[in-house]
Amino acid sequence: GQNIDQPTEMTATEGAIVQINCTYQTSGFNGLFWYQQHAGEAPTFLSYNVLDGLEEKGRFSSFLSRSKGYSYLLLKELQMKDSASYLCAVHRATGGGNKLTFGTGTQLKVEL
Amino acid sequence: DTGVSQDPRHKITKRGQNVTFRCDPISEHNRLYWYRQTLGQGPEFLTYFQNEAQLEKSRLLSDRFSAERPKGSFSTLEIQRTEQGDSAMYLCASSLAGAGIQYFGAGTRLSVL
Repeated sequence: GQNIDQPTEMTATEGAIVQINCTYQTSGFNGLFWYQQHAGEAPTFLSYNVLDGLEEKGRFSSFLSRSKGYSYLLLKELQMKDSASYLCAVHRATGGGNKLTFGTGTQLKVEL
Repeated sequence: DTGVSQDPRHKITKRGQNVTFRCDPISEHNRLYWYRQTLGQGPEFLTYFQNEAQLEKSRLLSDRFSAERPKGSFSTLEIQRTEQGDSAMYLCASSLAGAGIQYFGAGTRLSVL
């Protein structure tokens, strides 16, 4: 089976930096995705890591350690519009194509 | 192309009725996925297609659920004899083959009364 854990909720201040952690246990790991989802809207792709290390894209960065089964999403210079749910999803390279298995999401609230 | 589109956005039905949802993927994408999402949870995989072939179905997909993608373009998801437990957001996503990024539609929210 698979286990994906991420915190349920986080609160941070506008302009600050926040790190959202994700741990996973899975076989056939083939990459980890982060998506952002505002209430009632579609999940939107943020980042993809398949090799260990940091991927940076503007205010968003994502880190992966395959040996530790660990990833984080780093959001810098937080803005109010960053208040959303952040979903960690594992891609498995088994006969199941490239379906994603999602965590429950971390609800981030950005305050003034 | 404006992305993945789903229709309808909202559906309210009575228990026992059949419902059908449609998904139009990004035009050049050959893979299409269906997920279900309930409040406070991440999306759960239901099934996926490569072109017109349905290659995997989750155990979550009971025999009341059926999905098709007859010409390898749009897809439909039908739920027969709906139950209150079917109430959820049904999300569609598409990607290119391989480890392609999945792009999601805005979903169809189903409420079964």
